[in-house]
Amino acid sequence: RKEVEQDPGPFNVPEGATVAFNCTYSNSASQSFFWYRQDCRKEPKLLMSVYSSGNEDGRFTAQLNRASQYISLLIRDSKLSDSATYLCVVMADSWGKLQFGAGTQVVVTP
Amino acid sequence: DAGVIQSPRHEVTEMGQEVTLRCKPISGHNSLFWYRQTMMRGLELLIYFNNNVPIDDSGMPEDRFSAKMPNASFSTLKIQPSEPRDSAVYFCASSLIGGNQPQHFGDGTRLSIL
Repeated sequence: RKEVEQDPGPFNVPEGATVAFNCTYSNSASQSFFWYRQDCRKEPKLLMSVYSSGNEDGRFTAQLNRASQYISLLIRDSKLSDSATYLCVVMADSWGKLQFGAGTQVVVTP
Repeated sequence: DAGVIQSPRHEVTEMGQEVTLRCKPISGHNSLFWYRQTMMRGLELLIYFNNNVPIDDSGMPEDRFSAKMPNASFSTLKIQPSEPRDSAVYFCASSLIGGNQPQHFGDGTRLSIL
């Protein structure tokens, strides 16, 4: 079983619509969680950290459910520029090692 | 602020040659990570350092791969001899331990072994 699992998609989303997806993680001791985005042939970039109480950053909302060990990301009012692969990331140890999910592809269409 | 700097951006070489990838982490960061990404295998962690000391190299695929971090501002990943299956994008990332800080990635080195 993978340590971080995500639906690979693609999620095809009309421009302006809302899309949500989540991931599950296996290590119940994990303390830090992030969403990264990766554009084709580019490096992963931090989108946002995920806090226990849930947090928003503009059109993006992240939620953490520790009891069920899943993390969600919601994108409102989708833009064409939101098309990317979204990586669910869990911190694995005290040295800062991260475990990456395989990514969820989002395609926003006009 | 300067981010993680990797060089070269692209490398094309023939199998059997030695390849050296370079990374300069963000100033002040004390952890450094080397990754490899391919379509087939996704993003794989190869090795990581804390305060210039290797912590875990279990992701290094073979003895042909080696990594060093001689000081806080420089790291190398070397492949010798290179093989076509080593073709991938190699990323370096750095972070600051404490406060659950995320990693910041360099632009990557696109390596093609012919």
